[in-house]
Amino acid sequence: GAGVSQSPSNKVTEKGKDVELRCDPISGHTALYWYRQSLGQGLEFLIYFQGNSAPDKSGLPSDRFSAERTGGSVSTLTIQRTQQEDSAVYLCASSLAPKETQYFGPGTRLLVL
Amino acid sequence: AQSVTQLGSHVSVSEGALVLLRCNYSSSVPPYLFWYVQYPNQGLQLLLKYTSAATLVKGINGFEAEFKKSETSFHLTKPSAHMSDAAEYFCAVSEGNTGFQKLVFGTGTRLLVSP
Repeated sequence: GAGVSQSPSNKVTEKGKDVELRCDPISGHTALYWYRQSLGQGLEFLIYFQGNSAPDKSGLPSDRFSAERTGGSVSTLTIQRTQQEDSAVYLCASSLAPKETQYFGPGTRLLVL
Repeated sequence: AQSVTQLGSHVSVSEGALVLLRCNYSSSVPPYLFWYVQYPNQGLQLLLKYTSAATLVKGINGFEAEFKKSETSFHLTKPSAHMSDAAEYFCAVSEGNTGFQKLVFGTGTRLLVSP
């Protein structure tokens, strides 16, 4: 079956612009996660969704970052007023249930100029 | 707080040689431990996981890892490397008593396999 998909695969933006990153989880997976992979910080947890709720958003680096999930499916990660330090690969993962194996998407590579 | 240390950002082996990738963890509660592999321009794929059952865990592609509580280690091994094993490998830890798997990753080890 289809895996986790993310769009766009690559995004180049100018400092100060807003960007939206999309994640389509595996159908039927109730849990969804966002991670960030950057040269300086490695792989970091950003936020976790169970259904449409986000019980843990402790990894969001600043209030410029927000995320939502609708219909228990698609999730969007929004970064407002992008900064150069936001350049990274943003990975989405989903799991059938909160303590089950996480399946990762290919990521969105974001470059802020 | 949990943390993971992976010794060696790069490991080079010859095809057919033993692969050993090191991982040490820190956790105040019994952990769940994972190894993920990442091929270029792809997401992470789970190789194996330890969730407090057998201490020797077998995964996909011939990899296995042994949980050693006394050494706080979870090293990844494979008896004979293949060219296709060349990738980046991440060790991760999650607290076993939380409501979900909040993965904390190591910095990764890039495995290079030469003919």
